[in-house]
Amino acid sequence: NLMLTQPHSVSESPGKTVTISCTGSGGSLASNYVQWYQQRPGSAPIIIIYKYNQRPSGVPDRFSGSIDSSSNSASLTISGLKTEDEADYYCQSFDSWKWVFGGGTQLTVL
Amino acid sequence: EVQLLESGGGLVQPGGSLRLSCAASGFTFNIYAMGWVRQAPGKGLEWVSVNTANGIGTLYADSVKGRVTISRDNSRNILYLQMDSLRAEDTATYYCARWGQSCSGASCYPDYWGQGTLVTVSS
Repeated sequence: NLMLTQPHSVSESPGKTVTISCTGSGGSLASNYVQWYQQRPGSAPIIIIYKYNQRPSGVPDRFSGSIDSSSNSASLTISGLKTEDEADYYCQSFDSWKWVFGGGTQLTVL
Repeated sequence: EVQLLESGGGLVQPGGSLRLSCAASGFTFNIYAMGWVRQAPGKGLEWVSVNTANGIGTLYADSVKGRVTISRDNSRNILYLQMDSLRAEDTATYYCARWGQSCSGASCYPDYWGQGTLVTVSS
């Protein structure tokens, strides 16, 4: 069964760039799409990346996604960090007719 | 504008039942798969169930299989989650989410989420 592992927390300064990893085990991320969700405190998740690297309309191009088949991992990169980017970020994929989420990464912008 | 409004949460005793509802608007409900995702207090997201656009196909997470039933009323644009034999570990905020249109498997994923309804299982 696929499991997705994310770092528990990351922190970076405003204006900098941060990358959040999502490593798959027990299944191939290259065989199934990866999505990324942002969840601000007290709010519902919103999708910010779908199908590895596609941005929904309205999501700034400061957010980008990628896949590395060799390491079976996906990454979310946020450039030009703003304080409003402070949130929890979740990766999500699919395996054997089940939808799987990573444990989430808390991003602190300080 | 896509809107999903959950209701039906509350406090229930272990072993009890609850039915959650999700009223959808702003899109053509009967051509989209729909599902539920939950989040225990202070924890991460956990997929619960998905229902196909026509209501016939259903999938459940192992943690809830046999205890919950997903269904929908396409004439009223409402998604349901019937929850029985509730346990303390079912305590969570339950989010209704729109899945995909004419999609299958990995190409289906939640793209719009409601604000959630809190279910607390406690004596």
